[in-house]
Amino acid sequence: QSALTQPASVSGSPGQSITISCTGTSSDVGGYNYVSWYQQHPGKAPKLMIYDVSNRPSGVSNRFSGSKSGNTASLTISGLQAEDEADYYCSSYTSSSTLGWVFGGGTKLTVL
Amino acid sequence: QVQLVQSGAEVKKPGASVKVSCKASGYTFTSYYMHWVRQAPGQGLEWMGIINPSGGSTSYAQKFQGRVTMTRDTSTSTVYMELSSLRSEDTAVYYCARGGHFVVVPAAHWGQGTLVTVSS
Repeated sequence: QSALTQPASVSGSPGQSITISCTGTSSDVGGYNYVSWYQQHPGKAPKLMIYDVSNRPSGVSNRFSGSKSGNTASLTISGLQAEDEADYYCSSYTSSSTLGWVFGGGTKLTVL
Repeated sequence: QVQLVQSGAEVKKPGASVKVSCKASGYTFTSYYMHWVRQAPGQGLEWMGIINPSGGSTSYAQKFQGRVTMTRDTSTSTVYMELSSLRSEDTAVYYCARGGHFVVVPAAHWGQGTLVTVSS
């Protein structure tokens, strides 16, 4: 399974909105509505922020939203806050080579 | 509440094997798939595979096939991940993470991670 493609870094000022893209293929992102997004702070375990493209687990702020078009999924964070600074990873169910999951390379979000 | 407690840090020599455990509590162990994910120092997340604790069936990422074995012990609600023929590139934090009732449900609850260091 090849990793999904994410930008290495994005940045934004407090209160602004940012979007992180995640590009895959028809065997993963484009073929299933099983895209999820994780937030990871340094030294911590990842936290699930979005599942099934656009659903938020209980307790996740509604400032986080997800969408998908074709082979590209996106995570949007609105009203940026300092605590949003973290690494973000997309993940998708995949039928490439073996049935399972694949992660993106990760995106470092910097809140200016 | 869902808790996943992993075994402690390990130091292994190249060519050796390591077995990491993940003890689950707070839910019905056999009802939820368990993922294994690793993260090399300063690198991203890498999905290794998944096990169904109910029947023990597994699916491994192609990269690890032939080197990884995931098992479970329903009597102790524990899953195990064994990685063989270790090399320096296997130095990473290894996480277990609970999925859902189906394999298409992502990892939502994570263990604390186990650092495996491979060094001669």
